[in-house]
Amino acid sequence: QKEVEQNSGPLSVPEGAIASLNCTYSDRGSQSFFWYRQYSGKSPELIMSIYSNGDKEDGRFTAQLNKASQYVSLLIRDSQPSDSATYLCALNSNYQLIWGAGTKLIIKP
Amino acid sequence: NAGVMQNPRHLVRRRGQEARLRCSPMKGHSHVYWYRQLPEEGLKFMVYLQKENIIDESGMPKERFSAEFPKEGPSILRIQQVVRGDSAAYFCASSPLGVGNQPQHFGDGTRLSIL
Repeated sequence: QKEVEQNSGPLSVPEGAIASLNCTYSDRGSQSFFWYRQYSGKSPELIMSIYSNGDKEDGRFTAQLNKASQYVSLLIRDSQPSDSATYLCALNSNYQLIWGAGTKLIIKP
Repeated sequence: NAGVMQNPRHLVRRRGQEARLRCSPMKGHSHVYWYRQLPEEGLKFMVYLQKENIIDESGMPKERFSAEFPKEGPSILRIQQVVRGDSAAYFCASSPLGVGNQPQHFGDGTRLSIL
């Protein structure tokens, strides 16, 4: 059973600080990882994809992948109230996405 | 709007009725995936389809649920004889290719409520 684990939170971060979201997974063979953001009552929105060990930066977002330790993380710099949402970690197993339950992030003004 | 289109956005059915959920993939995408999200839970894979083919339905309940993606028209997720436990958000996603590193793009979902 392939699993993706996330701390459900809520994670509360002051506005302007760095939010750090973590995700661990059980399948060593996984190659593709994704971070999605989901606002309450809305659909998941792709933020980042990462396939290689190391960091990948896109604007205020940095995804980090460590395949040896089987974790993937998302850093959000200069957090804004609009970043308040649930962040979902997913990995691709063949063609289906295996999802974590999500971490609820709250940015406090 | 070139995104993934789902309709209806909200669907209310009584127990025992049928629910039909529709999904039109993004332009240029020929791979469609259906996911279900129960309240306060993560998404669960249901089925993966290409035009006129079901590739993987391992996440779909064996009874009452069926899916299709015809040559023409949208993909349809059909739930027969609905029960209260079917109440959930059903999301459709699409990708241009069916390989593992292709991000999937989601529609706005259909919120199904069973009375």
